[in-house]
Amino acid sequence: AQSVTQLGSHVSVSEGALVLLRCNYSSSVPPYLFWYVQYPNQGLQLLLKYTSAATLVKGINGFEAEFKKSETSFHLTKPSAHMSDAAEYFCAVSEASGGSYIPTFGRGTSLIVHP
Amino acid sequence: GAGVSQSPSNKVTEKGKDVELRCDPISGHTALYWYRQSLGQGLEFLIYFQGNSAPDKSGLPSDRFSAERTGGSVSTLTIQRTQQEDSAVYLCASSSNAGGTYEQYFGPGTRLTVT
Repeated sequence: AQSVTQLGSHVSVSEGALVLLRCNYSSSVPPYLFWYVQYPNQGLQLLLKYTSAATLVKGINGFEAEFKKSETSFHLTKPSAHMSDAAEYFCAVSEASGGSYIPTFGRGTSLIVHP
Repeated sequence: GAGVSQSPSNKVTEKGKDVELRCDPISGHTALYWYRQSLGQGLEFLIYFQGNSAPDKSGLPSDRFSAERTGGSVSTLTIQRTQQEDSAVYLCASSSNAGGTYEQYFGPGTRLTVT
């Protein structure tokens, strides 16, 4: 069985500060891991994904995430927050089950960026 | 089309009425997912279609919910005898599920309000 925990339903940072959004997962097999971003009144958009290649994954808009198997974590970071980064962020895990892939999503973390 | 489209974007209905929500996936994507997103909640998986296989309906919350996918493309989610707790944003996503891709492409969602 797979599950995702996102610590903190809200994270508030100043513009220019480091962004750190936490994601821990549980999976019985090597997982695929994803971060998605959702802007108001829009669907989710892929930021980055881990599919068993490099453990440090770079995504769009300057975000990156590091897969740490020993910690079962896939935290999302960005060195310097912009006002435009304010959005809802979702971590998701997916594993093969009988040939199908149905991701499990975390509850989301709302990123607030203040001037 | 270039992306996943959903219609209508907003739907207000009276309790007890039936509603149909439509999803047009990206052309060529064999996998199609429906999710429900309630205020402050993550994404709740509803149903998954993969090619010509029988759909995975394990996430449907009750027998009032059903979905079909015609010709491996367009999908319709039907909610019968709507209840106020059905109010949510219904998101559709498609995926190629090929070559280790597995990321999902989301539509903008249908906001359903049951009065």
